[in-house]
Amino acid sequence: EVQLVESGGGLVQPGRSLRLSCAASGFSFDDYAMHWVRQAPGKGLEWVSGITWNSGGIVYGDSVKGRFTISRDNAKNSLYLQMNSLRVEDTAFYYCAKGKDYSYYQAFDMWGQGTMVTVSS
Amino acid sequence: ENVLTQSPGTLSLSPGERATLSCRASQSVSSNYLAWYQQKRGQAPRLLIYGVSTRATGIPDRFSGSGSGTDFTLTISRLEPEDFAVYYCQQYGSSLLTFGGGTKVDLK
Repeated sequence: EVQLVESGGGLVQPGRSLRLSCAASGFSFDDYAMHWVRQAPGKGLEWVSGITWNSGGIVYGDSVKGRFTISRDNAKNSLYLQMNSLRVEDTAFYYCAKGKDYSYYQAFDMWGQGTMVTVSS
Repeated sequence: ENVLTQSPGTLSLSPGERATLSCRASQSVSSNYLAWYQQKRGQAPRLLIYGVSTRATGIPDRFSGSGSGTDFTLTISRLEPEDFAVYYCQQYGSSLLTFGGGTKVDLK
């Protein structure tokens, strides 16, 4: 079964760090670009960051640039998001999503169920 | 950043009716890299349409996409009960990917 499973969310104080993971199964992980997308409670979708199949291309949204780092380990079929200097406005459900092929410029044809990150003192 | 504006914010319709959702981009969408997603309450989004008009795997043909440049439309020809949800457009033609704010299709 093709699956993406996020983990690592939780409650964290402003200014602290958190690392999210996304475990992929059922497909050739190293053939596809991957992305993180977030959704604040009751709000719309916001693309956070994307990474090409070989980590050769990485892009961040303006709201997280300089604070978040995306990475992947193809040997472990895993995607990561290191989140530093967290702010209250980073509170959201975080989804990992699979691109339709190796290219960064593709729609997202599979999504995980998400992990909740709450930033609060 | 290519800002996507979806309208209307909410569409109140009955089963069997036709739904027409709009997505307008602030800049031309490169290579027509425009997708539509459906999200039901408590669930992750699901890809419906990519490349403006290509249905994703398993998506019924009552869903269709059209448009070019800066103006795009998602049409649901006859609403089924399971189609009441929130719909988002997304452009993936520039390095900063963006989503529209969403259109909620709810029961009249």
